[in-house]
Amino acid sequence: KNQVEQSPQSLIILEGKNCTLQCNYTVSPFSNLRWYKQDTGRGPVSLTIMTFSENTKSNGRYTATLDADTKQSSLHITASQLSDSASYICVVSESGGSYIPTFGRGTSLIVHP
Amino acid sequence: EPEVTQTPSHQVTQMGQEVILRCVPISNHLYFYWYRQILGQKVEFLVSFYNNEISEKSEIFDDQFSVERPDGSNFTLKIRSTKLEDSAMYFCASSASGLTYEQYFGPGTRLTVT
Repeated sequence: KNQVEQSPQSLIILEGKNCTLQCNYTVSPFSNLRWYKQDTGRGPVSLTIMTFSENTKSNGRYTATLDADTKQSSLHITASQLSDSASYICVVSESGGSYIPTFGRGTSLIVHP
Repeated sequence: EPEVTQTPSHQVTQMGQEVILRCVPISNHLYFYWYRQILGQKVEFLVSFYNNEISEKSEIFDDQFSVERPDGSNFTLKIRSTKLEDSAMYFCASSASGLTYEQYFGPGTRLTVT
């Protein structure tokens, strides 16, 4: 069964600090991996999308990495801001006919002033 | 900036009743999706829709669910006979193309079944 595991479950950091969130998956065959930011009570917002051939992708202060061999991804947030407080969700989709995405439970990030 | 809109923002219904959740995707998008998120749990894929037909559906999307694009702008999710366990936030999303294209999510409809 396809699974996406994220760690840590929650994280508290001070404003201005960097942090890294982890995502491990078992989805196979692999199509793409997405990172989303979800504010409480709102819809997810796309941060990055990576396919098999991409090792890293940046979106402003967000940088995602992908190691398709070890089936791991990370999301690095640089110089955190209070507005970064949210849930960060890793989503992995299959290839080969079935698009159905598998969502992780998310990492809840709280940025304190 | 174009955005996905959903109505209503909150729907309360009694068990066994039919509900229709409405979405207006971004106008030039071709792929449409419904997801749900039970309170405190992860987001789950329900269905994807392209070219006026379902392209993928999950095990959750059983016979009590249906989707429709009744006109050129709306995309609806119907739940025929609601159950208590259908209580969740339902998100609509759209994308310009499939697979590797960015999906834009709406703000969600909170469905409460009593």
